[in-house]
Amino acid sequence: EPEVTQTPSHQVTQMGQEVILRCVPISNHLYFYWYRQILGQKVEFLVSFYNNEISEKSEIFDDQFSVERPDGSNFTLKIRSTKLEDSAMYFCASSVGTPQYFGPGTRLLVL
Amino acid sequence: AQSVTQPDIHITVSEGASLELRCNYSYGATPYLFWYVQSPGQGLQLLLKYFSGDTLVQGIKGFEAEFKRSQSSFNLRKPSVHWSDAAEYFCAVGPNNAGNMLTFGGGTRLMVKP
Repeated sequence: EPEVTQTPSHQVTQMGQEVILRCVPISNHLYFYWYRQILGQKVEFLVSFYNNEISEKSEIFDDQFSVERPDGSNFTLKIRSTKLEDSAMYFCASSVGTPQYFGPGTRLLVL
Repeated sequence: AQSVTQPDIHITVSEGASLELRCNYSYGATPYLFWYVQSPGQGLQLLLKYFSGDTLVQGIKGFEAEFKRSQSSFNLRKPSVHWSDAAEYFCAVGPNNAGNMLTFGGGTRLMVKP
């Protein structure tokens, strides 16, 4: 069964550094998403992406965040200058329409 | 604004007992409703979804959920819990079109006693 995959599974970075989280969506899916879950809190929507552009984004998704589909298979989330409060589990998801299928997540720790 | 409430943060049941996890939602239009499960170290796996039609929906692993519009609820049930069902369960609501955000509840952590 096709799955969404994410790399790395864990990443530790220093505050102020740039990080890129990578996702490979399910191959025939058209919509791509990023969510995050801060430890002990709800899963929160960050951004959705369709047809090579952002279709919806939340208040959390400010100028330090960007998304890209650099080739036909990868979907990336870049955090330009990480802050301590960016420490969270980041989930990628993809869909044809509805529902959304989630990857296993990348746990990001900012020190 | 849409919101999802899962009133029970933790639930413990004995193996073989029945289970009901509660979910209440607030949404301005006809919602799409979902239950996801997260096992330790795993991602979010879709258990079941409700779009329209029959208000009792069946999912994977023997789970079912019932949509009650009058109560704004979408409770998850299982007649007989297995030890492998221990996980965190998330209810989510979204609009009836693709590419839009899901709003998640806070989750219910299920523990299963032998």
